[in-house]
Amino acid sequence: DGGITQSPKYLFRKEGQNVTLSCEQNLNHDAMYWYRQDPGQGLRLIYYSQIVNDFQKGDIAEGYSVSREKKESFPLTVTSAQKNPTAFYLCASSIGTLTDTQYFGPGTRLTVL
Amino acid sequence: GQSLEQPSEVTAVEGAIVQINCTYQTSGFYGLSWYQQHDGGAPTFLSYNGLDGLEETGRFSSFLSRSDSCGYLLLQELQMKDSASYFCALSGNTPLVFGKGTRLSVIA
Repeated sequence: DGGITQSPKYLFRKEGQNVTLSCEQNLNHDAMYWYRQDPGQGLRLIYYSQIVNDFQKGDIAEGYSVSREKKESFPLTVTSAQKNPTAFYLCASSIGTLTDTQYFGPGTRLTVL
Repeated sequence: GQSLEQPSEVTAVEGAIVQINCTYQTSGFYGLSWYQQHDGGAPTFLSYNGLDGLEETGRFSSFLSRSDSCGYLLLQELQMKDSASYFCALSGNTPLVFGKGTRLSVIA
């Protein structure tokens, strides 16, 4: 089955540690996205990538980093510079352009202790 | 910039029709999408309006009026499983911009 996978579903880390969230898709989509969602809030864009080896900052990129070495994979690193990292992180992909329908992964809930 | 406004909460009775509004401000855009998200789950695409007017997909319909800068999501024959958050999103020459979402509670 085609889809987007994110792992793990729940992740706990100590304050001051970097952590990398995985996102893999087998939909052959060109564009991929990372969003952060806080309780009762909408989705805020962290980073996006329209093509391999290229990515752009979203609205809240500070304290995060990404890479896009393969079309299928778009990992997100939450660094110790991110002041409030505890949140629900969603990865998405779309066929090509930024206007295409986005398909979301199941999300990773990160809790920093 | 772009911004969207939605009511934070709506309550409706099972079997009824409910309308969720979304007003937006933007300098230019291609269309308005709607996504559904159940608690703890991933958002899923419901509907897209690229042109003014009504788009129907089963029990869900969406309407866009560019002259009024607003869109509407209509849910008919409400079921308990429709209890979820609903997000409108603007598409343009940047990635989708999402509203903060409307939490719909369906009651018996």
